[in-house]
Amino acid sequence: QLQLQESGPGLVKPSETLSLTCSVSGGPIITSSHCWGWIRQAPGKELEWLGSMYFSGSTYYNPSLKSRVTTSVDTSNSQFSLRLTSVTAADTAVYYCVRGRNLQYLDSWGRGILVTVSS
Amino acid sequence: DIQMTQSPSTLSASVGDRVTITCRASQSISDWLAWYQLRPGKAPKLLIYKASTLEDGVPSRFSGSGSGTEFTLTISSLQPDDLATYFCQQYNSFLTFGQGTRLEIK
Repeated sequence: QLQLQESGPGLVKPSETLSLTCSVSGGPIITSSHCWGWIRQAPGKELEWLGSMYFSGSTYYNPSLKSRVTTSVDTSNSQFSLRLTSVTAADTAVYYCVRGRNLQYLDSWGRGILVTVSS
Repeated sequence: DIQMTQSPSTLSASVGDRVTITCRASQSISDWLAWYQLRPGKAPKLLIYKASTLEDGVPSRFSGSGSGTEFTLTISSLQPDDLATYFCQQYNSFLTFGQGTRLEIK
C-alpha cells in the first residue's frame, strides 16, 4: 500500500519561502506511468493544483502560480519537494502531496499538512 | 481555466438513502473526470476516474456517470461511513476541482 507523508514547517513568515517534502513508502518513486504533485486547500476554498512532476524531472505547474512554484524529486531518498516563494497570507492552506496517474487523476494522497503564513 | 461547479454544497441524508451529487464543467471535458472522498482526519481517497470507472477497492454502492459537461456521483445506499466531503476534478486541461459537497448523515 503506497503511503505519502508530508513534512515541513507549519508556520512561514510573509515574503519568505515555503518548503515542504513528501516521503514515499510502500511503492516505487521511479515510475513512468505516474507523476508526483502538490495540491492545496485554503480555508473555505476549493482544492487547487499547484504542480506535478515525473521522476525524470519533467515539470508542469499551475499557470496562476508558475512563477513562484518549484518542484523537485529525490529518487535516492524516495522523496519529492515543493518550494513556493514570496508567500502571503493567501498561501495559508492545507498542502497535500499526491501521486497522479500521469497528469490525470490522483490515486494516492498524503493526509495533508497545515501551513500558516503569518508574522 | 476550466471551472467545475458542484451541487449541492451540503446534503443531508439518512442511512439507506440514494444520494446524487452533480458536477458541471464550464466546457466539454469528454469523460476526463474523477471523484474523491475526503473524510475528517484521513487522506483524500480516489473513488472514480474516467467519469464512471470505479477505483479498486471502492464499494460498489458508489457509481459515476456523465460526459461532456455534466456528471453525477451516486451512492446507491448511504452508509454511516460515507460521512465526508466529495470533490470532482477535471483532467482534460491540467487539473481543477469543484468546490466540494459536504454529506451529512441525518
